[in-house]
Amino acid sequence: QSVLIQPPSVSGTPGQRVTISCSGTSSSIGSNTVTWYQQLPGTAPKLLIFGNSQRPSGVPDRFSGSKSGTSASLAISGLQSEDEADYYCAAWDNSLNGRYVFGPGTKVTVL
Amino acid sequence: QVQLQESGPGLVKPSQTLSLTCTVSGDSIRSSDYYWSWIRQQPGKGLEWIGYIYHSGTTYYNPSLKSRLTISVDTSNNHFSLKLASMTAADTAVYYCARVWVGVANNWFDPWGQGTLVSVSS
Repeated sequence: QSVLIQPPSVSGTPGQRVTISCSGTSSSIGSNTVTWYQQLPGTAPKLLIFGNSQRPSGVPDRFSGSKSGTSASLAISGLQSEDEADYYCAAWDNSLNGRYVFGPGTKVTVL
Repeated sequence: QVQLQESGPGLVKPSQTLSLTCTVSGDSIRSSDYYWSWIRQQPGKGLEWIGYIYHSGTTYYNPSLKSRLTISVDTSNNHFSLKLASMTAADTAVYYCARVWVGVANNWFDPWGQGTLVSVSS
């Protein structure tokens, strides 16, 4: 059982807005910031959002993150075919002497 | 531009110890701003944090792997390494290394290496 819970899959048509939820605990998301990673097929993960809502240089502003309490979400506006990928939320978890935890990942399919 | 490159054997026998190295270019592993981490991904599965190390040698390990794990750093050669003992088929995975920003209640991994597939089989 993952500390962070994400839906297995989300789908949308080009141009649509989709959101991915990430539900955590008081010791994880409730106490620390959330990071989102994008993993395109056959490639290494890439930093997408850090500090709950900050975008690194080069990440399109179609991607946005937010956090409230023990949950977070990633929104993709104006969905494009190249956004088809796996998306992982992550956070430090203060329990069990501390560990970095990833959500199980959400597969985004562009219909 | 910071780049990380994993290296090591692609095949390990059960019960053996896996040794991997991550070579960093474009940044000093002595940088005071960053830690250096290992993450793995079993085939078709999600990501699992293994642990990370600071240039001083301070380490943080995943409690589930701690008893088998050693992460070390070589500042002279700008690389860090992983040793995972008593390998089993469950340790078959793509192993990634990454640079880590660690702040108060705030950390993230960027960039990542391309990953190296390690299979455990006799």
